Amino acid sequence: GESVGLHLPTLSVQEGDNSIINCAYSNSASDYFIWYKQESGKGPQFIIDIRSNMDKRQGQRVTVLLNKTVKHLSLQIAATQPGDSAVYFCAENNAGNMLTFGGGTRLMVKP
Amino acid sequence: DSGVTQTPKHLITATGQRVTLRCSPRSGDLSVYWYQQSLDQGLQFLIQYYNGEERAKGNILERFSAQQFPDLHSELNLSSLELGDSALYFCASSFRQDGEKLFFGSGTQLSVL
Repeated sequence: GESVGLHLPTLSVQEGDNSIINCAYSNSASDYFIWYKQESGKGPQFIIDIRSNMDKRQGQRVTVLLNKTVKHLSLQIAATQPGDSAVYFCAENNAGNMLTFGGGTRLMVKP
Repeated sequence: DSGVTQTPKHLITATGQRVTLRCSPRSGDLSVYWYQQSLDQGLQFLIQYYNGEERAKGNILERFSAQQFPDLHSELNLSSLELGDSALYFCASSFRQDGEKLFFGSGTQLSVL
């Protein structure tokens, strides 16, 4: 079935730089998207969400961009810090009761 | 701390055995979701309960079952365990039932030997 597609690449950035993590989704019926951060040995932690009637939403140091035309979601982290090192997952809700998760991206922040 | 409590944190058992994983949702949340996270398959949705009733089912094996009790805590029962059942099992809760803004517990690491 359709699912959020995201291999597990690794993004390595320098401390203080901006990070951009990308996610492609295939289900055009999805109307809600969410980003989670998972640190080693912990459960996924909510970062930010966005509905399909929006194309941008900002939080504290994070911005989520949604491009429905190309079915693309991105998470931007400003001034990346060592504490941002984790695996980041995007997930979609396609009008069901469940979130479908992508495979995750590992973010490594170099001091 | 998400407010979702899962016990035990670690569980080691043998093939063929049966285990029960427990989840207490955040105060006020009515929905409980169970997810399985393995190295090769990421986070896979298993089942959802809302206010005591099953609401959605994912790729949950027939050997697995769950329930949500009147006090809203939930249990996931895994039976006839196989080596491949070794994984992290997460519980998440939400006030809503439509799969939005889930808050996850810290998980139960199950090792089947």
